[in-house]
Amino acid sequence: ILNVEQSPQSLHVQEGDSTNFTCSFPSSNFYALHWYRWETAKSPEALFVMTLNGDEKKKGRISATLNTKEGYSYLYIKGSQPEDSATYLCAFNAGNNRKLIWGLGTSLAVNP
Amino acid sequence: GAGVSQSPSNKVTEKGKDVELRCDPISGHTALYWYRQSLGQGLEFLIYFQGNSAPDKSGLPSDRFSAERTGGSVSTLTIQRTQQEDSAVYLCATVIGGSSSYEQYFGPGTRLTVT
Repeated sequence: ILNVEQSPQSLHVQEGDSTNFTCSFPSSNFYALHWYRWETAKSPEALFVMTLNGDEKKKGRISATLNTKEGYSYLYIKGSQPEDSATYLCAFNAGNNRKLIWGLGTSLAVNP
Repeated sequence: GAGVSQSPSNKVTEKGKDVELRCDPISGHTALYWYRQSLGQGLEFLIYFQGNSAPDKSGLPSDRFSAERTGGSVSTLTIQRTQQEDSAVYLCATVIGGSSSYEQYFGPGTRLTVT
């Protein structure tokens, strides 16, 4: 059974703090790893799609790394802002079978 | 607008009634997914459409659930004889191509409550 785990489940930080969270996934038959941000009352929004071991991607203050051999990805947020408050979801795809297996997400709250 | 739209945004129905949920994809996106998120659960894959290929229905939880996509565009998800456990947020997502390396664009979801 393919399983994607995210930790921590929730996180509270102060504005300006940097933070990171983890997505763990099966290391066999890797095809792609997705990160999405889901703000309350909005649609999930893609942050990154990563396909190569060692990939590092960056979008503004948010970056992600990928280790397919050991089966984990880190998402980093530098200098957190209140507008970063959201649930961050990762999803794993094995063998390009079109289906993503989703984690339960990390809920981030940034206090001003 | 240019994004994925879904209707209705909220639906309250009585147990045993049928409901139909609609998804309007981004123009040109050939792949379309339906997901649902029940309280406290992760996103659960329901069904996948890609172009003219036969849909992947492997995630549909029972034969009360069905979906179609007409003309490669609008999709409807139908739930017959709704049960309380069907209460969830139903999300539609579309993708520009058929590869899992492309990002998914989500609609705002339909919150279904079965009383």
